[in-house]
Amino acid sequence: KQEVTQIPAALSVPEGENLVLNCSFTDSAIYNLQWFRQDPGKGLTSLLLIQSSQREQTSGRLNASLDKSSGRSTLYIAASQPGDSATYLCAVRRRVAGANSKLTFGKGITLSVRP
Amino acid sequence: DARVTQTPRHKVTEMGQEVTMRCQPILGHNTVFWYRQTMMQGLELLAYFRNRAPLDDSGMPKDRFSAEMPDATLATLKIQPSEPRDSAVYFCASGSRLAGDPGELFFGEGSRLTVL
Repeated sequence: KQEVTQIPAALSVPEGENLVLNCSFTDSAIYNLQWFRQDPGKGLTSLLLIQSSQREQTSGRLNASLDKSSGRSTLYIAASQPGDSATYLCAVRRRVAGANSKLTFGKGITLSVRP
Repeated sequence: DARVTQTPRHKVTEMGQEVTMRCQPILGHNTVFWYRQTMMQGLELLAYFRNRAPLDDSGMPKDRFSAEMPDATLATLKIQPSEPRDSAVYFCASGSRLAGDPGELFFGEGSRLTVL
């Protein structure tokens, strides 16, 4: 059974810092990994999707990397801003034959960027 | 702009009542997921549809929960009878599953259910 872990559960940093959010998973037979952002009381917004054949994806100040062999992904946020404050979740889609394609989520890291 | 629409956004009901949550996936998406989010468990998959056919509902309590897709533009999640432990935020997500590429998932804003 795939387990996805995100540690720490919460993080507080001053504005302007570059930071790394970690995600680890137990089963390396994945199809892809997706990072989401969730604001309080809102749904999840997709940030980056990394296919299993890729090593990283970039979007603006965000860079996500994937190391399947070690079961790890990191989300790098450059020059953090107060508007980046939110909960960041990673989710792993396992590779299975047939139609089933579950996305297993970590519990998220709640980020607070102080002005 | 294209987005997943869920109704109701908030629902407060009493134990034993029937609750129906609705989801309109993004037009053209052929996969629909129902997730439940609680503080303790995080996001849990309840049901998964592809081309309107249920493919996996192993995460759903079968005795009281049911999920359907009457047509390609509507997915429903029903709880009957509801219990206080069902209180959670229920999310619907849709994606476009092309051959060999499940693609990204796009989530709705969620339906926050409180069962008293």
